[in-house]
Amino acid sequence: DGGITQSPKYLFRKEGQNVTLSCEQNLNHDAMYWYRQDPGQGLRLIYYSQIVNDFQKGDIAEGYSVSREKKESFPLTVTSAQKNPTAFYLCASTVTGTSGGTTDTQYFGPGTRLTVL
Amino acid sequence: AQSVTQLDSQVPVFEEAPVELRCNYSSSVSVYLFWYVQYPNQGLQLLLKYLSGSTLVKGINGFEAEFNKSQTSFHLRKPSVHISDTAEYFCAVITDGLPKLVFGQGTRLTINP
Repeated sequence: DGGITQSPKYLFRKEGQNVTLSCEQNLNHDAMYWYRQDPGQGLRLIYYSQIVNDFQKGDIAEGYSVSREKKESFPLTVTSAQKNPTAFYLCASTVTGTSGGTTDTQYFGPGTRLTVL
Repeated sequence: AQSVTQLDSQVPVFEEAPVELRCNYSSSVSVYLFWYVQYPNQGLQLLLKYLSGSTLVKGINGFEAEFNKSQTSFHLRKPSVHISDTAEYFCAVITDGLPKLVFGQGTRLTINP
């Protein structure tokens, strides 16, 4: 059953801690994305990767880090430098990672809700 | 930079009534337009997309949208809504050659019986 999985579904973090959110896809997609969703603000792009071992900052990358060591995996680390990390985090992927894949549909995972205590 | 405006944050309608969710984008250069739906505590699912050709696009669950280049709009419509359409709807735009999808703020559709 192909798709995108995110874990955990709910995550609680104490102030000052780093946490890592998992995103795995078995769709053989080249490109992967991380978004942050806050009420009334839509989705904002954190980081994206169009190919293994390469990634680019999105609009709100400060306080976050990523890696792309394998095609199917794109973990997101929320560091202690992120001032307001409580949000819903969504991972997505598309078939093609190059600019020629602009029209590809982005497929989304079920999301991880992060709460800072 | 490209921006997307969804003019209504919330839209309440009665079951079986028609609905229109409005979306405007800022740049008229080559763009591709998408509508996604999000059910509570879930990811986003594609409803429909406009890439080229006919400006009226039909999607899943009976939804359709019309691309209007002169008004830079891509409004979503359904002639008769059902309780199961209760969800949040996002309009999104991608500019040709750029890999970044820009989302609107979302419209929460509430269906009353």
